[in-house]
Amino acid sequence: DTAVSQTPKYLVTQMGNDKSIKCEQNLGHDTMYWYKQDSKKFLKIMFSYNNKELIINETVPNRFSPKSPDKAHLNLHINSLELGDSAVYFCASSQGLGEWDIQYFGAGTRLSVL
Amino acid sequence: GNSVTQMEGPVTLSEEAFLTINCTYTATGYPSLFWYVQYPGEGLQLLLKATKADDKGSNKGFEATYRKETTSFHLEKGSVQVSDSAVYFCALSELRTGGFKTIFGAGTRLFVKA
Repeated sequence: DTAVSQTPKYLVTQMGNDKSIKCEQNLGHDTMYWYKQDSKKFLKIMFSYNNKELIINETVPNRFSPKSPDKAHLNLHINSLELGDSAVYFCASSQGLGEWDIQYFGAGTRLSVL
Repeated sequence: GNSVTQMEGPVTLSEEAFLTINCTYTATGYPSLFWYVQYPGEGLQLLLKATKADDKGSNKGFEATYRKETTSFHLEKGSVQVSDSAVYFCALSELRTGGFKTIFGAGTRLFVKA
């Protein structure tokens, strides 16, 4: 059983479209995250949720809207896609927001905006 | 704010060579430090961690020692294998409102040749 699963694995779309990426974790964790990894592999946090509540929003454009229907799911909806949104998006989860909490990552969603 | 600086890659080594990937950090206080590894096509996974000064984290033959004096957490392995080819991320925990956030370095790609 995959601990953190995200779908789709690949997403190719045109500029201006709206798309969603889904994430689910079966680890019983309270905290979930979205990260963006650019072409140079630099990993940057976008959002974190704890018990369905938004904790961190790293000045991401409001075209990006996360939604957490329950603790096990954190979906990412992106409106009006732009070329600069092309990247690999990773979902992750951790037990909590403690200093030593280890994060578990999904395999990533590669988004290509044409 | 806090930050992590890693040596630029790629690093290319022959099998059984000695590996060092340098990592230094800037932080207030003494954060926990981590190394994560990303194998091709996968998400990041924790490799090792150290939670206080002089701690040594180790796993799968990799080691890193938390050096407060030099604010460093260099990753080492005595004899690398082809299967160690991956991207390695140094990271630290930063206290934010609501909990801790992980700050990642830019990643260092390692290629190991047979």
